[in-house]
Amino acid sequence: DTGVSQDPRHKITKRGQNVTFRCDPISEHNRLYWYRQTLGQGPEFLTYFQNEAQLEKSRLLSDRFSAERPKGSFSTLEIQRTEQGDSAMYLCASSLPGLPYEQYFGPGTRLTVT
Amino acid sequence: GQQLNQSPQSMFIQEGEDVSMNCTSSSIFNTWLWYKQDPGEGPVLLIALYKAGELTSNGRLTAQFGITRKDSFLNISASIPSDVGIYFCAGKGTQGGSEKLVFGKGTKLTVNP
Repeated sequence: DTGVSQDPRHKITKRGQNVTFRCDPISEHNRLYWYRQTLGQGPEFLTYFQNEAQLEKSRLLSDRFSAERPKGSFSTLEIQRTEQGDSAMYLCASSLPGLPYEQYFGPGTRLTVT
Repeated sequence: GQQLNQSPQSMFIQEGEDVSMNCTSSSIFNTWLWYKQDPGEGPVLLIALYKAGELTSNGRLTAQFGITRKDSFLNISASIPSDVGIYFCAGKGTQGGSEKLVFGKGTKLTVNP
């Protein structure tokens, strides 16, 4: 078990560009979560999937954000037309069936929008 | 929305000392969790609590789910330098249909050897 992995670990982009992040959960975990964390704050929930179904989205997830988990395994988070306010750490987590709140986090992708 | 307030915001202690931090809310939570985060890394799950009054230990760490379901505390005994980091509480609230966890802003712990 290699844990939750995220790619890339760091991304620097110019305002207006699109970016896509990938998350690979722990293999037997059916739920996958995306969070955003800014400096001095705790993680903020964005969305989660159970298998391939996206079951909940936060109001933080504007129209420029989209997440997918097409085969119920890895997930991608895309941000279109990035803004400086999108600069943050984007964290992915996964959990076992029956223990949805014991979430195991990946190392995160740090996004810097210049 | 439901919010969690963590205190203290930061702590500076000597190696070997015991540490106590807590998390409170004006709302009821069904589940409490404690995480530790090192710089540049994702949070690591330390303890999960599911019942009011529950007291759970993980090595030198002990956490309790408050009787009112509106608070939780985390104790660390005999601190060591590797305890340095930011400790977050998280909770699953009672808002109908939402499965999200709400996180506090963290308690930053510094341990002086």
